[in-house]
Amino acid sequence: EPEVTQTPSHQVTQMGQEVILRCVPISNHLYFYWYRQILGQKVEFLVSFYNNEISEKSEIFDDQFSVERPDGSNFTLKIRSTKLEDSAMYFCASRLGLGGPETQYFGPGTRLLVL
Amino acid sequence: QKEVEQNSGPLSVPEGAIASLNCTYSDRGSQSFFWYRQYSGKSPELIMFIYSNGDKEDGRFTAQLNKASQYVSLLIRDSQPSDSATYLCAVNIGSSNTGKLIFGQGTTLQVKP
Repeated sequence: EPEVTQTPSHQVTQMGQEVILRCVPISNHLYFYWYRQILGQKVEFLVSFYNNEISEKSEIFDDQFSVERPDGSNFTLKIRSTKLEDSAMYFCASRLGLGGPETQYFGPGTRLLVL
Repeated sequence: QKEVEQNSGPLSVPEGAIASLNCTYSDRGSQSFFWYRQYSGKSPELIMFIYSNGDKEDGRFTAQLNKASQYVSLLIRDSQPSDSATYLCAVNIGSSNTGKLIFGQGTTLQVKP
């Protein structure tokens, strides 16, 4: 069964460093998302991406964040200068779109720890 | 601010019982409703989705939607210890056409053998 994959599974970084989190969405899906979950808190929407551009972003997704689809399979989230409060689990999700089911399928997540 | 509210629990039920999980949402324009299960340290895993008022059954799971009351619930019949997890209610709010999901804080279910 097709699934969303994410790398790395864990990332430890120093405050102020740049990190890139990688995702491979399900191959025929058209909508891609990043969510984050701070330990013990809700899953929060960060950004949605469709047709090679951001379609919606949350207040959390400020200028320190960017997303890219560098090729036909990868979808990346970059945090330019990490802060302590960026420590969280980051989930990538994808959705078929084009009138298909609206269900979003989540990857296993990347646990980011900023020291 | 569009909100999705769940009782955080824990909800404790004996093995074999019915577990009832509830969720309310604030945006009347919401169209699609999802239940995800999340084990500790893992990602959300889809259990069910429901778009129309009424009940939808899938195996031991039944989702119920009442748009007039802005209420969605999940019933788990014949609860098993392996059902012990956090159940997340997620809503695709009406004002967004990008499919973004708003999540509740989750209800922790404990099924005791």
